[in-house]
Amino acid sequence: GDSVTQMEGPVTLSEEACLTINCTYTATGYPSLFWYVQYPGEGLQLLLKATKADDKGSNKGFEATYRKETTSFHLEKGSVQVSDSAVYFCALSWARGGADGLTFGKGTHLIIQP
Amino acid sequence: DADVTQTPRNRITKTGKRIMLECSQTKGHDRMYWYRQDPGLGLRLIYYSFDVKDINKGEISDGYSVSRQAQAKFSLSLESAIPNQTALYFCATSPPAGGQGRAGELFFGEGSRLTVL
Repeated sequence: GDSVTQMEGPVTLSEEACLTINCTYTATGYPSLFWYVQYPGEGLQLLLKATKADDKGSNKGFEATYRKETTSFHLEKGSVQVSDSAVYFCALSWARGGADGLTFGKGTHLIIQP
Repeated sequence: DADVTQTPRNRITKTGKRIMLECSQTKGHDRMYWYRQDPGLGLRLIYYSFDVKDINKGEISDGYSVSRQAQAKFSLSLESAIPNQTALYFCATSPPAGGQGRAGELFFGEGSRLTVL
């Protein structure tokens, strides 16, 4: 079945460091890909998405490019801030039997130190 | 006010008790979902509903039941709670799928933390 694998955490970085959180997927067909972010004590919210190969999603300085050849959707940011500390989830869309939804990775906890 | 509201936000209960978690939304979406979040396991889908008459099991539905009382309300019940149902539960909604039947953005509530002793 469809699945998402993302790097284990926690990932600890200093402020202004470069960030990459790896995400790879297994899916039939051509899913849409998403990054969600969960700040402490809150629900998940969409950070960015890409709906087809070679699309780049971007928001709040974060970027991710849909790479069909490597089945990847890595999250990147050039200079992280303390306020970026959160749990990040990679997700893909699935559709079968007339139903559809999202499958999530296990999440990567990002900690940014001042 | 939040677009997706979950009650209660926190609940501690004992093994064998019946628990209901409620979700209401003001986004006007037909699609509603219940997920549970466990450390190291991410989010797993329990049940989903695409309209009032449509209820579907997700990957971990055993031990849970749901009720879609109205377009805006979707409740999750644990008929006889057990300790391994201790988790953070999220309700989510989404608009209809986009092209090619693919899922779009999910809108999440703030979560209901359930502890079963």
